[in-house]
Amino acid sequence: DTEVTQTPKHLVMGMTNKKSLKCEQHMGHRAMYWYKQKAKKPPELMFVYSYEKLSINESVPSRFSPECPNSSLLNLHLHALQPEDSALYLCASQDDNEQFFGPGTRLTVL
Amino acid sequence: SQQGEEDPQALSIQEGENATMNCSYKTSINNLQWYRQNSGRGLVHLILIRSNEREKHSGRLRVTLDTSKKSSSLLITASRAADTASYFCATDSPMAYKLSFGAGTTVTVRA
Repeated sequence: DTEVTQTPKHLVMGMTNKKSLKCEQHMGHRAMYWYKQKAKKPPELMFVYSYEKLSINESVPSRFSPECPNSSLLNLHLHALQPEDSALYLCASQDDNEQFFGPGTRLTVL
Repeated sequence: SQQGEEDPQALSIQEGENATMNCSYKTSINNLQWYRQNSGRGLVHLILIRSNEREKHSGRLRVTLDTSKKSSSLLITASRAADTASYFCATDSPMAYKLSFGAGTTVTVRA
C-alpha cells in the first residue's frame, strides 16, 4: 500500500460544529503532516508528528487540534472554525526526504 | 513559512513544446524537490536533487541546481495535456522534517 488516504473528501460545517478530518497511511512512515492550502497558494505547514509525538506546531489556532492515535493514523479535530478556515487540508507522510500526500479534504466553513 | 520564489507564476504552452520554470531560495539547503499538483488534489513528488548535484533527469523532466545562485530550474520536455498542473519547488530546512514550498508555477498545456 503506497498511498495516503484522507476522509472525508468534502466537508461543509457551520461555525459551531465539531468535526474531524482523518488521514491514514500504511507505508511505515514515522513522520506525518497536516497542511492547509488556499486557492492558488502553496501548502502551509500546520503540524508535524514524528514517531507519534507532536514535533512542530506552526502557531496554529487552538480551534485546530491534531491527534496521532497510532503510527498509521492522523486526525485533525475542528471546533468553532471561522469562514477564513475554508481551504484544502492536506495530509502527508514522509519517507527519507520525500513526502507522500493524500488527496486532501475540501473544507467549507459557513 | 515560504522560502522559495518561483517564476513565472503562470505559463501557457502548446502541446509538444518545452516548459521551463525557476525557483530561487534564500538559505542553505541539503536538497531541493519538485512537486506537481493537479487542480484541487494532493501533491505528487517528481524529483529530488541534492546540494552536491548540479543536474538530474527523470523521464521528460530535467532539474538543475545552482547553489551559488540559490536557484533551481525544472524543464519539462515534449509537454502533454496531462502535464497541465501547478508545480512547486520545496527546500528542506535545518528543522528536521520541515519543507518550505515555493509559490508555485501554474502550467497550462494547450492541445
